[in-house]
Amino acid sequence: AQTVTQSQPEMSVQEAETVTLSCTYDTSESDYYLFWYKQPPSRQMILVIRQEAYKQQNATENRFSVNFQKAAKSFSLKISDSQLGDAAMYFCASLGDGATNKLIFGTGTLLAVQP
Amino acid sequence: DGGITQSPKYLFRKEGQNVTLSCEQNLNHDAMYWYRQDPGQGLRLIYYSQIVNDFQKGDIAEGYSVSREKKESFPLTVTSAQKNPTAFYLCASGKSGTASYEQYFGPGTRLTVT
Repeated sequence: AQTVTQSQPEMSVQEAETVTLSCTYDTSESDYYLFWYKQPPSRQMILVIRQEAYKQQNATENRFSVNFQKAAKSFSLKISDSQLGDAAMYFCASLGDGATNKLIFGTGTLLAVQP
Repeated sequence: DGGITQSPKYLFRKEGQNVTLSCEQNLNHDAMYWYRQDPGQGLRLIYYSQIVNDFQKGDIAEGYSVSREKKESFPLTVTSAQKNPTAFYLCASGKSGTASYEQYFGPGTRLTVT
C-alpha cells in the first residue's frame, strides 16, 4: 500500500527566510505523481506544486520548489522569501494507481510565519 | 466561475440522524471524491466515483453512502451507523483517465453530531 509520511508536525520560519518541509513516501507504482497542498485557516485545500515521477527536473512555482529524490523516495518543499500568507497546514500527497487516481495524504505540517 | 461548491459550510445534527452533504461541480470533471479530515490524521478517502452511476468505496466507507446520478453532483450521506461522524468533509473532482492526476477541492463542510 502507498504511504506518505510527514515527520514534522509543526515548523516555524521568520518572514523573508527560507523553510523546507519534509515528506517521504512509499509506492510500488512505476509511474506516479506527488503534490504539495496548502490548507490555510479557511480550510480550502490549494494545490501548491506537483511533480511527475518520470521527470528528473525538480518542479518550481514562483517561491515554491521541491527537492525530489526518487531513489530515496523523498519529496521536500522549499518555500523561499516566506510571507505571512504562507502560514498554513501543508500536506504532501502521492497519486499512483492509475485506475482510481486515489490521493494518499500525509498527516500535515503546520507552518507558522513570524513577522 | 468554474469550481466546486459544498453546502452547508457548518452542519449540526443529533446522534442517530442521517445527514446528507452536498457537493456540486461545474468543471465538467468525470471523477469526484469525498475525503474526511480529522486532526492529526490528514485526509482519508471515503468514496469516489469515476463516472456517472458508478462509485467505489475508499478506505473508510463504513457508515457512509453516496450516489452519482448526475455528472455534476456527488452527495454524501452520513448514516447513523457511522460511529464517529463529527469531522471536516472535503469533496474533490478531477478528470478521469491517465490525465486526471490533479484534484480540485471544495471549501468543505464541518459536521458536528451531538
